[in-house]
Parts: sequence; C-alpha cells; structure tokens
Amino acid sequence: AQTVTQSQPEMSVQEAETVTLSCTYDTSESDYYLFWYKQPPSRQMILVIRQEAYKQQNATENRFSVNFQKAAKSFSLKISDSQLGDAAMYFCAYRRKYGGATNKLIFGTGTLLAVQP
Amino acid sequence: GAVVSQHPSRVICKSGTSVKIECRSLDFQATTMFWYRQFPKQSLMLMATSNEGSKATYEQGVEKDKFLINHASLTLSTLTVTSAHPEDSSFYICSATTGVGYGYTFGSGTRLTVV
Repeated sequence: AQTVTQSQPEMSVQEAETVTLSCTYDTSESDYYLFWYKQPPSRQMILVIRQEAYKQQNATENRFSVNFQKAAKSFSLKISDSQLGDAAMYFCAYRRKYGGATNKLIFGTGTLLAVQP
Repeated sequence: GAVVSQHPSRVICKSGTSVKIECRSLDFQATTMFWYRQFPKQSLMLMATSNEGSKATYEQGVEKDKFLINHASLTLSTLTVTSAHPEDSSFYICSATTGVGYGYTFGSGTRLTVV
C-alpha cells in the first residue's frame, strides 16, 4: 500500500524568506501523481502544485516549486518570498495514475506553517 | 475552473437526530466523489468513495449504516449522518473528480456539532 510521510509537524518562516517542506512517499508503482495542497484557517483545500512522476522537470507555480527526487521517493515544496497569506496547513498527497476515477488521494499528516512578520 | 459547493457550512444537531450534507459540482459532471472527515490539526481521513448510480465504497472502519452516502446524479452526492452522537462532531469535506486527468476539486467543508 502507498504511504505518504511528512516529518515536520510544524515549521516557521520569516516573511520574505524561503522555506522548504518535506515529503516522502512509498510506492511500488512507476507512474503516479504527487500534489501539495494548502489548507488555510478557512479549511478550504487549495491545490498548490502537482507533479507527474514520469516528468523529470520539477513543477513550478510562481513562488512555489518542488524538488522531485523519484529514486529517493522525495517530493519537497519550496516557498520563496514567503507571505503572511502562506500561513496554513500543507498536505502532501499521492495518487495512482492508472485505475480510473476511483483513485483516491493519499494524504500525509500535514505541516503547519507559520509566517512571522 | 471547477467548483464544488458544499452545504451547509455549519450545522448543529441534537443527539439522536440525522443530518444531511450536500456536495454539488457546479460546472462539471463528477463521476466520482469522495467524503473525508477531519479532526482539528489532523489530516483528512477518507470515509468513502461514491460513484454516480452505484453504491459507495467505504473505507475500513467506517460504519456504512451510520454514514449513508448517495450519489444519485453526476452533480450531487449527499452524506447523511444517522442517529448522530457527540463523537460524530467533526469537519466533513467532499471532493469531486470528472475522472479525466487527475484533477480533484474540494468543497468548503461542513462543521458538524452534535449536542
């Protein structure tokens, strides 16, 4: 069974600085999808970034980028120029590629990010 | 973009009563919807997967007779918490997918309080 591990329950960063959130996963499959979701105090789940495992290039979305190390099964999220609005719970998630629409997201335990002014 | 509407956002009910939570995909047809439960500062726990027109698939340990899920159309899934008890108090979130590609869209969640 696939598992997702986030080893940092809480992180803190100064405004305008850079922070990296860690995520590792375990799977025997070669092709899959990885995601980072943000859950602010409103508790609305917001997709931050996604990565397809067969793509070597790391995904980037504005200030958010990932470091995808397939062999190491590592998928870290880097937030550059941190803003107060980035404060939230961040979840790493895995999804099988094959098997149809019923594929569920497997979430990590989350990292609570605080941004200090 | 894809929008999922979840109602109500908050509900308080008396112990022993039932409460229904709706999840609607507003601008796409959702072949599959997922229902999650989340405790404070914890991750999302998948309760069940529902496919339009068929019975929901429940995760191990989830009481199917207590958490009734119906997915009668491609745009609506409902979760009914039957005979609610205080320990059912939690945050419930739905998500939907069209089955195309890998996109998931989440509802805004429902905070259920059973008194």
